[in-house]
Amino acid sequence: DVKVTQSSRYLVKRTGEKVFLECVQDMDHENMFWYRQDPGLGLRLIYFSYDVKMKEKGDIPEGYSVSREKKERFSLILESASTNQTSMYLCASSFGTGSYEQYFGPGTRLTVT
Amino acid sequence: GENVEQHPSTLSVQEGDSAVIKCTYSDSASNYFPWYKQELGKRPQLIIDIRSNVGEKKDQRIAVTLNKTAKHFSLHITETQPEDSAVYFCAANTPLVFGKGTRLSVIA
Repeated sequence: DVKVTQSSRYLVKRTGEKVFLECVQDMDHENMFWYRQDPGLGLRLIYFSYDVKMKEKGDIPEGYSVSREKKERFSLILESASTNQTSMYLCASSFGTGSYEQYFGPGTRLTVT
Repeated sequence: GENVEQHPSTLSVQEGDSAVIKCTYSDSASNYFPWYKQELGKRPQLIIDIRSNVGEKKDQRIAVTLNKTAKHFSLHITETQPEDSAVYFCAANTPLVFGKGTRLSVIA
């Protein structure tokens, strides 16, 4: 059974703080993704990674960075949190090259005040 | 890049009726089209997917059709049940580009 976990379910941070969101998967998946989910906007891709040390920008990378030092772990970093980054953040992973099912984590609801 | 439009944004049906959700995409090179279901407070989960070499796929009460010429694909749910109530997302391409979602309510 695939398991994708995220470090926090709820997080409250202040404007300007550096924020780290961690995602870990236990299925040896090559691919990992970070999305943000906002009402009426669906799931928007922030960054993704197809291999260790590799990262690619998604549709909305501004204000974010990522790190993938180990295959099972993909971190999303908000260098200086802003109120417009208040959102639900979902991590996902999938197997190999090509198109395969993405398994999502439970999400982190981040509030920036 | 790819753009996915999804309609309707909300859909209410009586229990036992059918529900249809439609999506269009812009990139003719896209060849993978999954559908995800997200129940309230839970993570999205894949319910069915289709690849461009197939026109239709069925799994019990759910089916997906794909028209590559028109660049649209649809989700069909028959004999709807209250537990089908959720938000449904279509997606296309790799990496996935998602539609904005359809909130389906099945009224008992």
